[in-house]
Amino acid sequence: DTGVSQDPRHKITKRGQNVTFRCDPISEHNRLYWYRQTLGQGPEFLTYFQNEAQLEKSRLLSDRFSAERPKGSFSTLEIQRTEQGDSAMYLCASSFWGAGNTIYFGEGSWLTVV
Amino acid sequence: AQKITQTQPGMFVQEKEAVTLDCTYDTSDQSYGLFWYKQPSSGEMIFLIYQGSYDEQNATEGRYSLNFQKARKSANLVISASQLGDSAMYFCAMREGLGYLTGGSNYKLTFGKGTLLTVNP
Repeated sequence: DTGVSQDPRHKITKRGQNVTFRCDPISEHNRLYWYRQTLGQGPEFLTYFQNEAQLEKSRLLSDRFSAERPKGSFSTLEIQRTEQGDSAMYLCASSFWGAGNTIYFGEGSWLTVV
Repeated sequence: AQKITQTQPGMFVQEKEAVTLDCTYDTSDQSYGLFWYKQPSSGEMIFLIYQGSYDEQNATEGRYSLNFQKARKSANLVISASQLGDSAMYFCAMREGLGYLTGGSNYKLTFGKGTLLTVNP
């Protein structure tokens, strides 16, 4: 069963360092999403791709954050000059295009900035 | 205003009993979808069940059923015959603007704050 996979699962980094997370969606899913989840909260939308096009970015996504999906398959989320407030779980999800289609999530990448 | 409200921060249930997790939502769209996800301590968000706003029947998936009361804007999750493995966080989420003519954000999920369910042996 090839669900959504994310790498790394856990990352501890020093403040000011750059980190990159990778997401491999379910194959043939043309939509890919990134969410962020902090302790005690539900996930919050960050950004969304349809194929390789990034169609929306949340206000939560500061200019230190960049996401790409170069060939419409896997995606990367990079955080530059990390801050302690970036500590969270970053969840990737994917789905087919379509109004009711279920969005499937990966296991998430935990980021701790020390 | 909160779009998704889960009023129960924590719930306890005895193994083999049924439990209802509450969810109310707020939207002005006519076409929307409601989802429930389970998140165990490992972190993965596991899809459980989906209800479309125009679905006349309440959704069911195995031991999970969704008690959809559109006029009250509630979409409660019912878990029957609870098992120890059901202990987890449960999130209600909504996807608005599913109508093709509305131009809404029909791809974004808005989540509630979750309910932590503990199943006691």
